[in-house]
This record gives sequence, C-alpha cells and structure tokens, in this order.
Amino acid sequence: GAVVSQHPSRVICKSGTSVKIECRSLDFQATTMFWYRQFPKQSLMLMATSNEGSKATYEQGVEKDKFLINHASLTLSTLTVTSAHPEDSSFYICSASGGSEPEAFFGQGTRLTVV
Amino acid sequence: AQKITQTQPGMFVQEKEAVTLDCTYDTSDQSYGLFWYKQPSSGEMIFLIYQGSYDEQNATEGRYSLNFQKARKSANLVISASQLGDSAMYFCAMREGRADSSYKLIFGSGTRLLVRP
Repeated sequence: GAVVSQHPSRVICKSGTSVKIECRSLDFQATTMFWYRQFPKQSLMLMATSNEGSKATYEQGVEKDKFLINHASLTLSTLTVTSAHPEDSSFYICSASGGSEPEAFFGQGTRLTVV
Repeated sequence: AQKITQTQPGMFVQEKEAVTLDCTYDTSDQSYGLFWYKQPSSGEMIFLIYQGSYDEQNATEGRYSLNFQKARKSANLVISASQLGDSAMYFCAMREGRADSSYKLIFGSGTRLLVRP
C-alpha cells in the first residue's frame, strides 16, 4: 500500500510554544489529508480535512486558530499547534487519500506532550 | 447522521482460535465503504480489510475476513488462527461522502483484543 510519513513521532514542548507536525505522502499525490486526535484509550476524532491549495475544513468544536493546517503541496500537509497548553497533549495522526486504493493511509502518529 | 458502533470494549481469545469483533453502522447513503484498522501499542494505524457497500461477496485478506450483512448493517471482523501479535486495538470505520468527493472516516470506539498463549 501507499506510504504516509509523519514527523516527529514524539515531541515535548513547553506551555505557550508552538509545535509543527508534518504529514507526507511518499509515493502518491494526496489531494486530501485528514488530521485526527486521539486521547488515551479513546477512538480517533477527526479534527480537520486538509485540501491541497485551499483552506482546511475544520470539524465542529475544533479551534482553527489553535490548530493551523497548511496543505501547500500534493505531498505535504502540516498541523501547527499554536500556544500549546497541557490539555493539548494528545496523540495526533494524519491520513491521506488520493491514490487508487479505497482506503486511507495513516502516518505513524505524533505523541505530543506539553509541559 | 452516520455512526459506527463497536459494543465490545475488550475481547480475549486463545491463541490459534478464531475471534469475531462486532461492528454495526448507520447511514442513509447507498454508497459507502467499511474498513477495519488495527492499532498496536505503538499507535500506528494498520489497514486490515475493506468492504464496499455494493460488494456482493464478503471481503477476505489472509486471516482476516469481513462478515458483511447489509440488511442488518453489520460488518464484523473475523480473525482466524489468532496469533499473539494480533493483540491490539481494533477499529471499525466507515467512509462517508460521495464517490467523487474526498473521503473522511468515522471510527467506532474500538475493541481491545488480547490473545492468550
């Protein structure tokens, strides 16, 4: 299947700083990427849909100014957690579609800890 | 509204035996896709199997098969000959959206499977 690479896998940052997470499709062009958040022992919750060359579509309750998404090319989407707080600590994972397969392919995920 | 329900928060199975993980869904769309993903403790999401709403035959991928009962709106995952490495969290998911639009997945709450030696 297609490969999606997410970086970094783990990050610890201080409260008030910003953190950028990258999601790359390595062997296909991803017209759409999705960002999910997962709290411990819970399911994946969709945060936003990232479309190449246009603004992201955020799910209800997700602060767009807090979670900035940029999809500047067909192979890269970035999620920036701005002014991070401890409650933003979570597992963030991206997925990408746009290949010939019906399934979406996921990155490895990023475990964010805000101290 | 579209919804995925997994009623088994945790399951045990003996090594080498088969296990069924339940999933029911609700949608008003005629065209949809159903997926199962495995999430080990490392966090990655591993695609296991896919069933399209118009597929007449149940999907199979190696030791994984999907028991698709459209009238009952169920899409249970069957794992045959369980292995210790199958211990993980399993998520059922549904793709919403039309065929010519971008897809996003709605996930169930997950089932934690533990394979006993």
